[in-house]
Amino acid sequence: GENVEQHPSTLSVQEGDSAVIKCTYSDSASNYFPWYKQELGKGPQLIIDIRSNVGEKKDQRIAVTLNKTAKHFSLHITETQPEDSAVYFCAASSNDMRFGAGTRLTVKP
Amino acid sequence: SQTIHQWPATLVQPVGSPLSLECTVEGTSNPNLYWYRQAAGRGLQLLFYSVGIGQISSEVPQNLSASRPQDRQFILSSKKLLLSDSGFYLCAWNLGQMNTEAFFGQGTRLTVV
Repeated sequence: GENVEQHPSTLSVQEGDSAVIKCTYSDSASNYFPWYKQELGKGPQLIIDIRSNVGEKKDQRIAVTLNKTAKHFSLHITETQPEDSAVYFCAASSNDMRFGAGTRLTVKP
Repeated sequence: SQTIHQWPATLVQPVGSPLSLECTVEGTSNPNLYWYRQAAGRGLQLLFYSVGIGQISSEVPQNLSASRPQDRQFILSSKKLLLSDSGFYLCAWNLGQMNTEAFFGQGTRLTVV
C-alpha cells in the first residue's frame, strides 16, 4: 500500500518568512495530492491540492509542487502570518487516501 | 450544502467499556465514508472506509469495528476499550473516486482511563 513520509515534523518561522513542507510517497499509481490544515481541536481542512498531470499549482500565498518521477511533493507558504500556525498534513491518493505524519508550523510574530 | 456531524466531541471511558461513535453526512448521497485515528503528535491513521451500505474495509487489525447501517451514517464501535484506543477520531467523506477532496468532521477526543 501507499506510504507517505512528511518532513519536518515541526517548523518555526518568523512572520513574513517562507515555510516549506516536503512529502514523499511510494505508490506510483497515486494521482491526487491534497494538503490539509488542522487547527487545534478541529478536523483537517483542505487548503490546496494537485493532480499528477500538473507540476505546480498556486493559490495566493500557498503553492504546491509535484515531481512524479521522484515521487515527492512540497507545500510552500510565502509571507507567513501568525494565523498560518497549525498542523499541516500532506496526503497521496489513488484507491484510498494516505496521510503524512503532519508538520506543526509555528509563525512567530 | 453538505455537512458532516460527528459526536460526541469528547468522551472519557474506562478500560473494558464499549464504544460507539457516530458520524452522519447531510446534503449528499452515496458518499465514501472514512474513520481515521490521530494519536497525539502523529498523523492520520486510516482505520476503516466504506463505499456503500454494509461495505466496510478494514485497514488495521484491532479491537475496533465499523458499520454503515444507512447511506449517510457511519459508526465506529468497540466491545472492550483498551488504553491504547485513546486518541482523536475523525470521520470524513468524499464522493466518487477516492482520490477526491475529503471533508472531515470536527473529531471526537477519546480518553480511555
